[in-house]
Amino acid sequence: GENVEQHPSTLSVQEGDSAVIKCTYSDSASNYFPWYKQELGKGPQLIIDIRSNVGEKKDQRIAVTLNKTAKHFSLHITETQPEDSAVYFCAGMEYGNKLVFGAGTILRVKS
Amino acid sequence: ETGVTQSPTHLIKTRGQQVTLRCSSQSGHNTVSWYQQALGQGPQFIFQYYREEENGRGNFPPRFSGLQFPNYSSELNVNALELDDSALYLCASGDPGRYGANVLTFGAGSRLTVL
Repeated sequence: GENVEQHPSTLSVQEGDSAVIKCTYSDSASNYFPWYKQELGKGPQLIIDIRSNVGEKKDQRIAVTLNKTAKHFSLHITETQPEDSAVYFCAGMEYGNKLVFGAGTILRVKS
Repeated sequence: ETGVTQSPTHLIKTRGQQVTLRCSSQSGHNTVSWYQQALGQGPQFIFQYYREEENGRGNFPPRFSGLQFPNYSSELNVNALELDDSALYLCASGDPGRYGANVLTFGAGSRLTVL
């Protein structure tokens, strides 16, 4: 089955700097890769997703890139703000709409 | 604002007891999935229901069971609770309008503590 690894586990950046979180996956058949943001006491919230037929997708300050050959995808957040502080999870979708999550990255944006 | 609501938000049980968690998904979402999130970890897939039938299961024992009702609500039942069952239980419904049912919207979860 699918295995998703995520790095780093914690990331501290200065407000206004960029943040990059990287994930690798094992199942070449996976074709959908969402990113979720989870704040304390809340459920995961979808922030951006990408399908395997696309190499890059951008939504304002957030972008995701996908390299199918290397089986890795990354989340890029530019001009970080304190409200970006949260836990971020990447995921890959296995056959049958089952999401396999990475272990998460704690992002701290220092003002 | 999420369209998936879960209840209860918090509950405490003792080992060996049984628990039922409830979820109400958005109208039109015909799939519902349940995930277990242990502290400091990513969510793990328990099972998925499509049109009231289980159509996918993760690596969880049979004492984890579920139901999906015609009104888009769902239940997760856990029998013979163990200490390791302490976790946040997340319900997610699938939006068929965006690339099929892959896009999941999560609820805020039910925090279960087993003593």
